[in-house]
Amino acid sequence: DAGITQSPRYKITETGRQVTLMCHQTWSHSYMFWYRQDLGHGLRLIYYSAAADITDKGEVPDGYVVSRSKTENFPLTLESATRSQTSVYFCASGRLAGGEFQRDTQYFGPGTRLTVL
Amino acid sequence: DQQVKQNSPSLSVQEGRISILNCDYTNSMFDYFLWYKKYPAEGPTFLISISSIKDKNEDGRFTVFLNKSAKHLSLHIVPSQPGDSAVYFCAAASSGGSEKLVFGKGMKLTVNP
Repeated sequence: DAGITQSPRYKITETGRQVTLMCHQTWSHSYMFWYRQDLGHGLRLIYYSAAADITDKGEVPDGYVVSRSKTENFPLTLESATRSQTSVYFCASGRLAGGEFQRDTQYFGPGTRLTVL
Repeated sequence: DQQVKQNSPSLSVQEGRISILNCDYTNSMFDYFLWYKKYPAEGPTFLISISSIKDKNEDGRFTVFLNKSAKHLSLHIVPSQPGDSAVYFCAAASSGGSEKLVFGKGMKLTVNP
């Protein structure tokens, strides 16, 4: 199916474990993003990628690692999960046109609810 | 320090009436503003946007107004429908980092039948 998917949808892990959240989009959008949503904070940008092999930090990157070897995938890894990383994580993709990012075109996935015990 | 503020956490209106959702920002570099709508257990979906060169943008029942001097924008929904019940996020972007959106905390709108 076309669109943007995230897996798993729910994950419970323990402090100190490594966790990888997957994101896949079928639109061949150049840009991909990871956000976290917490009560009292709205959505905050963790990392984003303008193209394969190009990634950059957002507002809250500490404790997270990303990679983008293929245009359609943008996994987010918590190398050593902490309780403060309990959150809902949203992946998004967006289109590049005429050399500019089209700001109306961020499409979000359904989210992954991560609980770190 | 929050750059995009949605100071009211919730709003309840009757079906058919107007819903007005407010958003304030502090960063003068923001030149593009967006509203997203989010249902439970789903990702946010784009609703409407406005560039700083305009003061109004309309799309069907949804109108966004921008007051640059007051650093304030508002989303008007007329008439409100029960299906509009959701959390609404205001977001802003600057020309220098246009792919980075800064979101407000969100406001929960409830439209009562």
